[in-house]
Amino acid sequence: AQSVTQLDSQVPVFEEAPVELRCNYSSSVSVYLFWYVQYPNQGLQLLLKYLSGSTLVKGINGFEAEFNKSQTSFHLRKPSVHISDTAEYFCAVSSSGGSNYKLTFGKGTLLTVNP
Amino acid sequence: GAVVSQHPSWVICKSGTSVKIECRSLDFQATTMFWYRQFPKQSLMLMATSNEGSKATYEQGVEKDKFLINHASLTLSTLTVTSAHPEDSSFYICSATTRGSVSTDTQYFGPGTRLTVL
Repeated sequence: AQSVTQLDSQVPVFEEAPVELRCNYSSSVSVYLFWYVQYPNQGLQLLLKYLSGSTLVKGINGFEAEFNKSQTSFHLRKPSVHISDTAEYFCAVSSSGGSNYKLTFGKGTLLTVNP
Repeated sequence: GAVVSQHPSWVICKSGTSVKIECRSLDFQATTMFWYRQFPKQSLMLMATSNEGSKATYEQGVEKDKFLINHASLTLSTLTVTSAHPEDSSFYICSATTRGSVSTDTQYFGPGTRLTVL
């Protein structure tokens, strides 16, 4: 079984400030890790994913995340946020193997960027 | 990019009636589709996985006779909530993906359907 914990349900920041959204996972097998963003009344959009290789993954909109196997973490970061980054962010994990890569989601972190 | 649509985006129905939600992949063939349920301020919970032309695989605790899933073509999957009750009110989201290794597979999500059962 696998699970995802997003430690912060809400993160308020000011525009142009850096931000880190935390994600920890647990799994008994190798995992693939994802960050999705959900804007109001829209579906989820993939920000980035870690499959293998370099532990620092760069995604869209200036976001990046670092896979830390020893700490079972996959925190999302952005050096300078914009108002338009206000959205719900979901961390997800998928275990390797099988033909259907089922995703297990965290509860989400609401990022609110204030002017 | 890959686009997934859902219809309707919002539906209100009376208790005891059935509601059908459609999920379409608009510009790619989706060999696998997933159906999720999202409660307010909660995570997405996977309900079932469906592969084109075969029966859906339901997650533990999901009533397959209540949530009927049909994946009749490579671009369309439907979720029918039968004999809906107020506790079925939720946000239902589908995603679609193409067959391949996980390095290429990405789940593309629809915008969701808000179901309210009175």
